[in-house]
Amino acid sequence: GESVGLHLPTLSVQEGDNSIINCAYSNSASDYFIWYKQESGKGPQFIIDIRSNMDKRQGQRVTVLLNKTVKHLSLQIAATQPGDSAVYFCAEGSWGKFQFGAGTQVVVTP
Amino acid sequence: DVKVTQSSRYLVKRTGEKVFLECVQDMDHENMFWYRQDPGLGLRLIYFSYDVKMKEKGDIPEGYSVSREKKERFSLILESASTNQTSMYLCASRSQGPAGELFFGEGSRLTVL
Repeated sequence: GESVGLHLPTLSVQEGDNSIINCAYSNSASDYFIWYKQESGKGPQFIIDIRSNMDKRQGQRVTVLLNKTVKHLSLQIAATQPGDSAVYFCAEGSWGKFQFGAGTQVVVTP
Repeated sequence: DVKVTQSSRYLVKRTGEKVFLECVQDMDHENMFWYRQDPGLGLRLIYFSYDVKMKEKGDIPEGYSVSREKKERFSLILESASTNQTSMYLCASRSQGPAGELFFGEGSRLTVL
């Protein structure tokens, strides 16, 4: 079946460095991709999204890149802060029905 | 401030019990969803609803049912709880249309003994 997956289950990043979280997807029909952040004990929160007709989108300290040729999605976090420590999920889909990846745990070290 | 509220943060039930998980959203969203979250498996869709009294199966509906009698409320029902239904359950809502973020509740952690 279709799947969304992450390359690394845990990412350790030094405070102040940039983080890159990767995600592979397999459903070429998906036209909408989202990154969520989930802090311990909380529900996932929206970070940034991108439509399939785009290849890059920037937010505040975050950038999402979409490479449809290789079905790859990435989230870049600039100047990683302790508050960025969380599990990050990618999701792909359309018309509200999404498939989520397993998640990447980001640990920010001082 | 938009909100999705799940009535119970933590529940402990016994095998065979009937379990109700309630979810209410205050954003007048048409679409509501129930996911379960397990380590290493991410979020998996159980059921979703596009409108009142309407429901559709997600990827793992077996052992679950849902009810949507009012637009703001979406309930997940475990008719006869089993130990393999021990999990974190997340409710979400979003507005109509092809795109748009999901707004999640804080989750309900269910333990079935």
